[in-house]
Amino acid sequence: SYEVTQPPSLSVSPGQTTTITCSGDELGTKYTSWYQQKPGRSPVLIIFDDNKRPSGIPERFSGSNSGNTATLTISATQAFDEADYFCQTSDRSTVIFGGGTKLTVL
Amino acid sequence: QLQLQESGPGLVKPSETLSLTCTVSGVSIRSPRYYWGWIRQPPGKGLEWIGNIHYSESANYNPSLKSRVTMSVDTSKNQFSLELNSVTAADTAIYYCATAEGTPARYGMDVWGQGTTVTVSS
Repeated sequence: SYEVTQPPSLSVSPGQTTTITCSGDELGTKYTSWYQQKPGRSPVLIIFDDNKRPSGIPERFSGSNSGNTATLTISATQAFDEADYFCQTSDRSTVIFGGGTKLTVL
Repeated sequence: QLQLQESGPGLVKPSETLSLTCTVSGVSIRSPRYYWGWIRQPPGKGLEWIGNIHYSESANYNPSLKSRVTMSVDTSKNQFSLELNSVTAADTAIYYCATAEGTPARYGMDVWGQGTTVTVSS
């Protein structure tokens, strides 16, 4: 079965750029979405169709997808961005989530 | 504004059937634009897709759960439902219903319910 892999955790300083990867075989040929989840809250869609932002999502969040890796980039990371981030893709009508990346903003 | 609300028992006994309902408000569940889905999250763990359903299409299920899962749509109540049979402690999780405007693969799930905690225990 198809799988995608994310780093379990990442730490950045406020103001820095955060890069979270999601890796899978030929992932660039599939669509990827990204979700942000804060403790005790439901996930929030922040990127869909590889690089599109739903209304209300700040421009600081951007996405790309090529080769075997999809990337979520957060520019000028803020303490408020501290959360778990999940990538999502699909293979043969099956939706697949990455294991999630816990972002700590120190 | 589209909103989703999960409901169902918070405690299910091992080997029994977990049944949850998601009530949709703000849009007709018969709208061809939307796909309706269930996702779960075991305590302290990541997200696991359970399945999606469109009112006019057959459901798609996670292969690892397919033998135990049934999803259905009730257009008269504007609800969709999840049944998971033969549950074990491994099915203990927060269960979310969610929707995608377009195929979830491309458009992601942009509206989620608040989630409901289901514990499997005798």
